[in-house]
Amino acid sequence: AQSVAQPEDQVNVAEGNPLTVKCTYSVSGNPYLFWYVQYPNRGLQFLLKYITGDNLVKGSYGFEAEFNKSQTSFHLKKPSALVSDSALYFCAVSEPAGNQFYFGTGTSLTVIP
Amino acid sequence: DVKVTQSSRYLVKRTGEKVFLECVQDMDHENMFWYRQDPGLGLRLIYFSYDVKMKEKGDIPEGYSVSREKKERFSLILESASTNQTSMYLCASSRGQGPSSYEQYFGPGTRLTVT
Repeated sequence: AQSVAQPEDQVNVAEGNPLTVKCTYSVSGNPYLFWYVQYPNRGLQFLLKYITGDNLVKGSYGFEAEFNKSQTSFHLKKPSALVSDSALYFCAVSEPAGNQFYFGTGTSLTVIP
Repeated sequence: DVKVTQSSRYLVKRTGEKVFLECVQDMDHENMFWYRQDPGLGLRLIYFSYDVKMKEKGDIPEGYSVSREKKERFSLILESASTNQTSMYLCASSRGQGPSSYEQYFGPGTRLTVT
């Protein structure tokens, strides 16, 4: 069973428009949720995480993500996309109950000038 | 800043060779991880370790083994390399022992080609 799903392989958005990169999860207990970004020819970098508390978390480079427990989702958002946001984005979950870590398959974001 | 280094950026090996990939972190992290990254498949966890001499299998451990003799070093071993192990290998580390709320820090990756 897929524990983390990123339903879109590719997302295109015009510069200046809001962007959303989707992530849903299916793990037990209270998982910890993360977003990472991989710029071309560079390693993965941490963007933000949800541990507990406020469902809206803010991270690096103006990104934010909303945790929705009822929909088991953790979508990444940004109000106004920049061309420099073009990269590969990965959602990840850390599941203490099952002693596992999972990454999604990644979503390639292209911001069109 | 946390630094995770990997021994090689690019590696070319022949089928059947024994391959060692080394990873070192300098932040005294308890957890260390090995992933492989393939187009369309994302990151898949091979093994992780939450303490010296401890290891846990991830999603795809077959064909791989690991060694963690010192806290800062985590080695991935391909006992007999095969062409289907051609991939990008990523090492990462994090605080905490086992699945935790701490984020992972990644090395630059090793692109392994097995011919």
